[in-house]
Amino acid sequence: DTEVTQTPKHLVMGMTNKKSLKCEQHMGHRAMYWYKQKAKKPPELMFVYSYEKLSINESVPSRFSPECPNSSLLNLHLHALQPEDSALYLCASSQGQGYDSPLHFGNGTRLTVT
Amino acid sequence: AQTVTQSQPEMSVQEAETVTLSCTYDTSESNYYLFWYKQPPSRQMILVIRQEAYKQQNATENRFSVNFQKAAKSFSLKISDSQLGDTAMYFCAFMYSGGGADGLTFGKGTHLIIQP
Repeated sequence: DTEVTQTPKHLVMGMTNKKSLKCEQHMGHRAMYWYKQKAKKPPELMFVYSYEKLSINESVPSRFSPECPNSSLLNLHLHALQPEDSALYLCASSQGQGYDSPLHFGNGTRLTVT
Repeated sequence: AQTVTQSQPEMSVQEAETVTLSCTYDTSESNYYLFWYKQPPSRQMILVIRQEAYKQQNATENRFSVNFQKAAKSFSLKISDSQLGDTAMYFCAFMYSGGGADGLTFGKGTHLIIQP
């Protein structure tokens, strides 16, 4: 069982669709992360939210739009994606800035863009 | 910026054998953390073991142990009595001390296959 829950597990979308990925944690963590992972590659950091504020955006295209409604929830809104955006999207959480806690990851959402 | 290097793209051993995965890193910081994460086909990234750079003693978690050589910037993972369930991608990762909001820097990973 994972303490970070991601939905959906799989998502297939066309290039004109709008969809959202959701992530939830109830460990009281104050930092949440989105990573993108291609097959047989390490995860690449996309966004970091610290205390519900966006603290890191790793030059991600604007077709990816993160949102942190509260300290337990993290969304990733998708619009006008390209086939090369097909990947595993991992959410993670940690205690956050000033703490030395490891990241806890969810099971990921497998995204396919057609 | 820090870098993490895993030089073994794939390794294969027989069940019950001992295997060592290598990891080297480069940083100018003196306080940091190192991790090994396991990613089985189920996709979830699972924390295997962590090492604080200020601790000289090598971390151990059951069958998993590390050989941390700070001067050499080396952080290898030893898996004893390997089991079929150990088959997975293994990623070495780095985090600055207090940098919990900066995320992890990962190596490219080692695909470990345990043969029956």
